[in-house]
Amino acid sequence: AQSVTQLGSHVSVSEGALVLLRCNYSSSVPPYLFWYVQYPNQGLQLLLKYTSAATLVKGINGFEAEFKKSETSFHLTKPSAHMSDAAEYFCAVSEGGGADGLTFGKGTHLIIQP
Amino acid sequence: GAGVSQSPRYKVAKRGQDVALRCDPISGHVSLFWYQQALGQGPEFLTYFQNEAQLDKSGLPSDRFFAERPEGSVSTLKIQRTQQEDSAVYLCASSMDRSGEQYFGPGTRLTVT
Repeated sequence: AQSVTQLGSHVSVSEGALVLLRCNYSSSVPPYLFWYVQYPNQGLQLLLKYTSAATLVKGINGFEAEFKKSETSFHLTKPSAHMSDAAEYFCAVSEGGGADGLTFGKGTHLIIQP
Repeated sequence: GAGVSQSPRYKVAKRGQDVALRCDPISGHVSLFWYQQALGQGPEFLTYFQNEAQLDKSGLPSDRFFAERPEGSVSTLKIQRTQQEDSAVYLCASSMDRSGEQYFGPGTRLTVT
């Protein structure tokens, strides 16, 4: 069975500082991994996805994530936080290439301090 | 182009009532997914359609939950005899193919009183 653990339900960083949101996964097969962002009262928007190609994946809004098989991790980073990055972030895993239902973590609320 | 739309956006139901939640996927998208998101939690998979065929309903929490997509486009999630624990946001997503990119709607917030 697949699962996702997101460390830290809330992360607070200063504007301009590095953003690091942690995600560890469990999967019995090579996984597909995703990061989604959710703004209040909106649906989830895909930030980036890992599909067994390059281990460093670049996404929208300056975010990127690195797949590390040895650590079963897929942490999300952004070099410099903006106020507009404040939102809920979800890591998700799929064993069916994303064509099946995704398994999500519980989410991390990112707070940006001015 | 329009994204995934869901209606109603908010629904209040008294315990024991039946509710129907609608999802309009992006035109031409083959796959359609339903998720349940409880307060403060990540979305949890309920069921999945490819065209009109329901290929996976392993996430439906009880036989009170029923989903259909009769013509392979619009889908309806029906909950019979609602209970308080059914209160959640119900998200619908669609995808074009097996690319893995699911596009989500804004959700329907169901409150059972």
